[in-house]
Amino acid sequence: AQSVSQHNHHVILSEAASLELGCNYSYGGTVNLFWYVQYPGQHLQLLLKYFSGDPLVKGIKGFEAEFIKSKFSFNLRKPSVQWSDTAEYFCAASGGYQKVTFGIGTKLQVIP
Amino acid sequence: DAGVTQSPTHLIKTRGQQVTLRCSPKSGHDTVSWYQQALGQGPQFIFQYYEEEERQRGNFPDRFSGHQFPNYSSELNVNALLLGDSALYLCASSRPDRTTDTQYFGPGTRLTVL
Repeated sequence: AQSVSQHNHHVILSEAASLELGCNYSYGGTVNLFWYVQYPGQHLQLLLKYFSGDPLVKGIKGFEAEFIKSKFSFNLRKPSVQWSDTAEYFCAASGGYQKVTFGIGTKLQVIP
Repeated sequence: DAGVTQSPTHLIKTRGQQVTLRCSPKSGHDTVSWYQQALGQGPQFIFQYYEEEERQRGNFPDRFSGHQFPNYSSELNVNALLLGDSALYLCASSRPDRTTDTQYFGPGTRLTVL
């Protein structure tokens, strides 16, 4: 069965700290990978996506993610977080036009 | 260019009632997917519509049904509401490039069942 696991459900960081959120997936065949963000009171927005090619993907607001096929992982990173990064982050996967399977989400709280 | 829009924003119903939620996809998108996001959970796939037909369905009972219109807008209907149906219902649209489609989400409809 298709599944996405996020290891950290709640993360608290001080501003300027580095961020890494873990994500592992279980999918048969070709997989597309995504990170979505949900800021307080706002709707889900796409941070970045991986379909093929360079496994290091850069997204908006300084975020990046690395696809490691051998580890079935797609971890999200940011070298220095800001208070405005406080949000909930969802890792997701799909097989082409098929349904998107989401992880449970990680709530990030950045303390000024 | 308007993004995905959903109506209503909030809705309160009682158990046993029926509800209809509406979604207009992003311009140029022809595929609409519906998700249920319960509190503290990630979105769960309900079903997807393409060319006015349900193309794929998640693990939701038949009480959940939908429709897609010729202009690609879509409705989600839920019959015989249960307390457990209380959630944020998200609509997402995508465009015809099947191999690299990205789903764009609307703001959601918050359904409360009392």
